[in-house]
Amino acid sequence: QVQLQESGPGLVKPSETLSLTCAVSGYSISSGYYWGWIRQPPGKGLEWIGSIYHSGSTYYNPSLKSRVTISVDTSKNQFSLKLSSVTAADTAVYYCARHPIYYDRRGEVDYFDYWGQGTLVTVSS
Amino acid sequence: SYELTQPPSVSVSPGQTASITCSGDKLGDKYACWYQQKPGQSPVLVIYQDSKRPSGIPERFSGSNSGNTATLTISGTQAMDEADYYCQAWDSSILVFGTGTKVT
Repeated sequence: QVQLQESGPGLVKPSETLSLTCAVSGYSISSGYYWGWIRQPPGKGLEWIGSIYHSGSTYYNPSLKSRVTISVDTSKNQFSLKLSSVTAADTAVYYCARHPIYYDRRGEVDYFDYWGQGTLVTVSS
Repeated sequence: SYELTQPPSVSVSPGQTASITCSGDKLGDKYACWYQQKPGQSPVLVIYQDSKRPSGIPERFSGSNSGNTATLTISGTQAMDEADYYCQAWDSSILVFGTGTKVT
C-alpha cells in the first residue's frame, strides 16, 4: 500500500521560506510517476502547487512558480517543497500526493491517487 | 488562465440521485477527475479519466464529460456521501481544480 507522510515546521514567519518533505513508503519513487504538492487554505478549495518526476522534471503552477522549488531525493524515497517569501496568504494545509500522468488517444490523463494526511502550516510572526 | 466552475452546493435526499457539474472551456476535450473530501480528511479520488472508478469506490459513483461540462453522478445517495467534491483537469501542463461543491 502506497503511503505518503508530510513533515516540516507548522509555523513560519512572514518573508521566510516554508520547507516541507514528503516521505513515500510502499512504492519506489524511482519506479515512475510524478509526485505533487497541493494546498488548501482554511475553509477554502484545493490549489495545485507543482509536481516532480523522479528524473527531476517539474511542472509548476504559474501563479506560484517564482517562489516554488520542488526537488526529489530518490535515495531517501522522498520529495520536498520550498516556498519562499511567504505571507499570511500561504497559510494552508499542505498535502503531498502521487500524480500519475500518461497519454492516451485523446490526450493527457492525470489524477492524484494517493494522498498524505496533510500538514497545517501557519504563517505568522 | 483556465478555470473550472462548480455549483457551491447541491442538496439531495437519501436514496436519490445527486448530479454535480464542472464547467470549463472545451472541458470535454480534456480528461476530468473527481475527488471527495470529508471534514478534516484528505481528498479521495472517486473518478478519473472522466468515468473510471478506482478500486474500492462504490458503483453508485459515475462520471461523464462532454462539451464544456463534466458531471459526477451519485446514484442512491447515502448519508456517508455528504462531503465536498472537487473536479480537476490538466490544461497545457497546468493542473486546475474546480471551485468545489458541498453535497448535503
